[in-house]
Amino acid sequence: NAGVTQTPKFQVLKTGQSMTLQCAQDMNHEYMSWYRQDPGMGLRLIHYSVGAGITDQGEVPNGYNVSRSTTEDFPLRLLSAAPSQTSVYFCASSYGGFPENTEAFFGQGTRLTVV
Amino acid sequence: AQRVTQPEKLLSVFKGAPVELKCNYSYSGSPELFWYVQYSRQRLQLLLRHISRESIKGFTADLNKGETSFHLKKPFAQEEDSAMYYCAALVPFGNEKLTFGTGTRLTIIP
Repeated sequence: NAGVTQTPKFQVLKTGQSMTLQCAQDMNHEYMSWYRQDPGMGLRLIHYSVGAGITDQGEVPNGYNVSRSTTEDFPLRLLSAAPSQTSVYFCASSYGGFPENTEAFFGQGTRLTVV
Repeated sequence: AQRVTQPEKLLSVFKGAPVELKCNYSYSGSPELFWYVQYSRQRLQLLLRHISRESIKGFTADLNKGETSFHLKKPFAQEEDSAMYYCAALVPFGNEKLTFGTGTRLTIIP
């Protein structure tokens, strides 16, 4: 059971480059989300999705795009990388709905450095 | 605005001493509350949640609606408890947005 898989684990980008962080889950979860983790700021929600074809903005969406064409995949696109986007990115998924189904399962993270 | 506050960024406790990690929330409605933990070189994982009312690895957390708090406690700290701890909240049947606090790094001193 793979759970939530993120690729790549590490990435270095030059300012202005674009890239896509991949996230896939094999648990048939409806809810998926992207967070960034920065020292002293905890995890901040970038974008989230409540099902295929439905996405919405979180707390810090600027500079990022997402799409949800399938239940399994939720890629995060950096349109034009900036040094402020240097961070560790986490993808998460959950069943959602009933309180007992709200446990979020996380990927192992992607450490992104923008130079 | 919905907010989760963890006032301590760093907490050091001697092995065998009691541990308390503080968490306060500001939410409309009745949020579901969680503690997540991230051990070194491991992914973030659920430690416990209010609805389960269970003790995991000796940790418990009591919801105090009057004080809007969900503090995490353990009577006797162990070295393997050293980790980053995040308090989190969401409203079930809503948009399922999980809001995290800023985290507390707990270090257990041998």
